[in-house]
Amino acid sequence: QKEVEQNSGPLSVPEGAIASLNCTYSDRGSQSFFWYRQYSGKSPELIMSIYSNGDKEDGRFTAQLNKASQYVSLLIRDSQPSDSATYLCAVNRDNNNDMRFGAGTRLTVKP
Amino acid sequence: DAEITQSPRHKITETGRQVTLACHQTWNHNNMFWYRQDLGHGLRLIHYSYGVQDTNKGEVSDGYSVSRSNTEDLPLTLESAASSQTSVYFCASSDHRGTDTQYFGPGTRLTVL
Repeated sequence: QKEVEQNSGPLSVPEGAIASLNCTYSDRGSQSFFWYRQYSGKSPELIMSIYSNGDKEDGRFTAQLNKASQYVSLLIRDSQPSDSATYLCAVNRDNNNDMRFGAGTRLTVKP
Repeated sequence: DAEITQSPRHKITETGRQVTLACHQTWNHNNMFWYRQDLGHGLRLIHYSYGVQDTNKGEVSDGYSVSRSNTEDLPLTLESAASSQTSVYFCASSDHRGTDTQYFGPGTRLTVL
């Protein structure tokens, strides 16, 4: 079992819809969780970070964390074609920098 | 503006050669990281450093080495390049341990023939 698992996709949604991206992790000691967006041929850029159970909203993006279920998700409301990218889930262990990344979910938003 | 740069952006080398990839950041961050990215594996940590003279092995460190002589630079050396090391390499930096955001460089595409 991989430490951080994501559905590789591709996930295709129409413009204006909600895109839901999911991630599970295996290490119960994980303390911090991140979603990165990566456009083709570019470097990852941070979208959201979340550290405690519940929801965290930032504009059209909402991150959800459930540590009991070892599950973190990213919702993108009012999806735009510019949201088309690969989304990487990253999980950090207890206060160190041994970050583990999922393989990413490729999202396509169709006009 | 502060930034993180990598050079070269593209490199082709032959099996057995020593290769060094450069990473330079002007954020004045203590922490620096090297990752490789391959299809189906996502990003995997190679080495990281919490400060000058500090280096640590990551998940896939075999065949790679780093040294940290100043805050700004963390060069990655492939001692004897192998075809399995063909990949895209990303350098990243962060200010604090654990919970802090990592900022990524533009990447180096390395091909080992």
